[in-house]
Amino acid sequence: GAVVSQHPSRVICKSGTSVKIECRSLDFQATTMFWYRQFPKQSLMLMATSNEGSKATYEQGVEKDKFLINHASLTLSTLTVTSAHPEDSSFYICSADHRSSYEQYFGPGTRLTVT
Amino acid sequence: EDQVTQSPEALRLQEGESSSLNCSYTVSGLRGLFWYRQDPGKGPEFLFTLYSAGEEKEKERLKATLTKKESFLHITAPKPEDSATYLCAKVNNQGGKLIFGQGTELSVKP
Repeated sequence: GAVVSQHPSRVICKSGTSVKIECRSLDFQATTMFWYRQFPKQSLMLMATSNEGSKATYEQGVEKDKFLINHASLTLSTLTVTSAHPEDSSFYICSADHRSSYEQYFGPGTRLTVT
Repeated sequence: EDQVTQSPEALRLQEGESSSLNCSYTVSGLRGLFWYRQDPGKGPEFLFTLYSAGEEKEKERLKATLTKKESFLHITAPKPEDSATYLCAKVNNQGGKLIFGQGTELSVKP
């Protein structure tokens, strides 16, 4: 149990285009979902927190107009990187907060490369 | 300020050589202390949650313990497949935001 999926696992896009990443909790309902970014050899950096049906809360320094988050249901959140640039290339990981246990389970991550 | 500090940053062990990883945290508002394993290019895999001092949890060769100021992840007779980065994180009472340590990169040689 407690499986979180992400799609796609890898994506390459051209500079200036937008990319959408999906995060789903497959076998549980998530009160809250989180989006992280991870650079090589570094720990996870929280970008934003989203609750179903409400606006996401962004961490300081994260541009909300660039990283659009939609949390449509208790099992689905999406992150859209708009007008992507090479510096947005990174490993993006989502997590879902299990509604009954408050334990957080992570997706497998999405490797974004912007050329 | 909320902080989680892990040590050592890197640990090299021979197969079968038991050891411990440390995670110290600021005490205020702790709701839970989490341990994760992360393999290169993958998302963190949930290992344990500890909620109160004195609590212990085990899974195969791993045992996590919690005191009022720190947590330990004990690895008994490790195998090469235990090689990974181990992450510790705390959650406060105010919400589900995880505060991560920098991780310990464990390498187990045969």
